[in-house]
Amino acid sequence: KQEVTQIPAALSVPEGENLVLNCSFTDSAIYNLQWFRQDPGKGLTSLLLIQSSQREQTSGRLNASLDKSSGRSTLYIAASQPGDSATYLCAVKSGSARQLTFGSGTQLTVLP
Amino acid sequence: NAGVTQTPKFQVLKTGQSMTLQCAQDMNHNSMYWYRQDPGMGLRLIYYSASEGTTDKGEVPNGYNVSRLNKREFSLRLESAAPSQTSVYFCASSLGQFYSNQPQHFGDGTRLSIL
Repeated sequence: KQEVTQIPAALSVPEGENLVLNCSFTDSAIYNLQWFRQDPGKGLTSLLLIQSSQREQTSGRLNASLDKSSGRSTLYIAASQPGDSATYLCAVKSGSARQLTFGSGTQLTVLP
Repeated sequence: NAGVTQTPKFQVLKTGQSMTLQCAQDMNHNSMYWYRQDPGMGLRLIYYSASEGTTDKGEVPNGYNVSRLNKREFSLRLESAAPSQTSVYFCASSLGQFYSNQPQHFGDGTRLSIL
């Protein structure tokens, strides 16, 4: 059974810092991996989707990488801003199971 | 841009009561999903519908039923609510079927408390 872990559970950084959020998964036979953002009381917003054949995806100040062999993905946020404060979730679509498996998220606070 | 709309946003039920959570999407997506989100457990798939007229069980289907009324609407029903079903429920949709590389789009959720 696929398991997805995100460490740390919470992270606080000063504005302007570059930061990395981590996601690890146990079964490397994945179809794709998505990073989401969730604001308090809101749904999930898809940030980036990396297909299993890709190594990374970029959108603005965000860059997500994927290393299937080691079961890891990272989300890099450049020049963080207070508006980046939210919970970031990664989710893996496994090749063997017909579902998206989510991590528990990293709650990011960017201090002004 | 409505996207995925869920109703109601909040609901309190007593144990044993029934209710239906509604979800509608206006993006002409083929696939729709129901998840529940519980503290420390991430989101877990309850049911999904790959296309109009089809539904399949996800990871935690017990105690729930679903209806894909048409391409736009996918409802989730609790026949006899239990306290363990207290959760935040999210509906999502995607253009492609499950084995596609299309992202899922989420509604804002329904916060459900069972007393």
